[in-house]
Amino acid sequence: RKEVEQDPGPFNVPEGATVAFNCTYSNSASQSFFWYRQDCRKEPKLLMSVYSSGNEDGRFTAQLNRASQYISLLIRDSKLSDSATYLCVVNPKSGGYNKLIFGAGTRLAVHP
Amino acid sequence: GAVVSQHPSWVICKSGTSVKIECRSLDFQATTMFWYRQFPKQSLMLMATSNEGSKATYEQGVEKDKFLINHASLTLSTLTVTSAHPEDSSFYICSARDSDRGSSYNEQFFGPGTRLTVL
Repeated sequence: RKEVEQDPGPFNVPEGATVAFNCTYSNSASQSFFWYRQDCRKEPKLLMSVYSSGNEDGRFTAQLNRASQYISLLIRDSKLSDSATYLCVVNPKSGGYNKLIFGAGTRLAVHP
Repeated sequence: GAVVSQHPSWVICKSGTSVKIECRSLDFQATTMFWYRQFPKQSLMLMATSNEGSKATYEQGVEKDKFLINHASLTLSTLTVTSAHPEDSSFYICSARDSDRGSSYNEQFFGPGTRLTVL
């Protein structure tokens, strides 16, 4: 079983749509959680951290369910510029240093 | 702030040659840098953690003698792919943590990546 699993998509949605991505992680001791965005042939960029109480940043809402080991990202009012691959990232906090484990990503394509 | 550069951005080489990739933190110091590899349509896979002034920590399955890492200063880590073969063709990305932040600060700043093609 992969440490971080995501639905690869692609999710094809029209502008203005609401879309949700899910992610599960296998290490119950994981401490920190993130969503990164990666454009084609570019490096990943931090979109937002995910907190236990859930958090929102503009049109983006992230939620964490530790009991189910499940993370979600909700994008409201999708824009063409939201088209990218969204990476679920977990910090297992093992091994004495803060390494990140990446999911394979969920591809989003927003069309006019 | 928090800019990480990589050089070169792309490289094409012949099988059997060695390729060195540089990762620099431009406006912060980084005692810890990370090297990842990403194959098409796959996730970033951590190869190794580079520690300034000490040996790198390699992930399981990564050959330390093939992927040489040197972290000689607080702003520079290098990855050398020795005796490269076509299966080493990939997107290599480095990241760095800001040393001035506490150990509980997890954000990593990524370089733009280096696309390696081995013929």
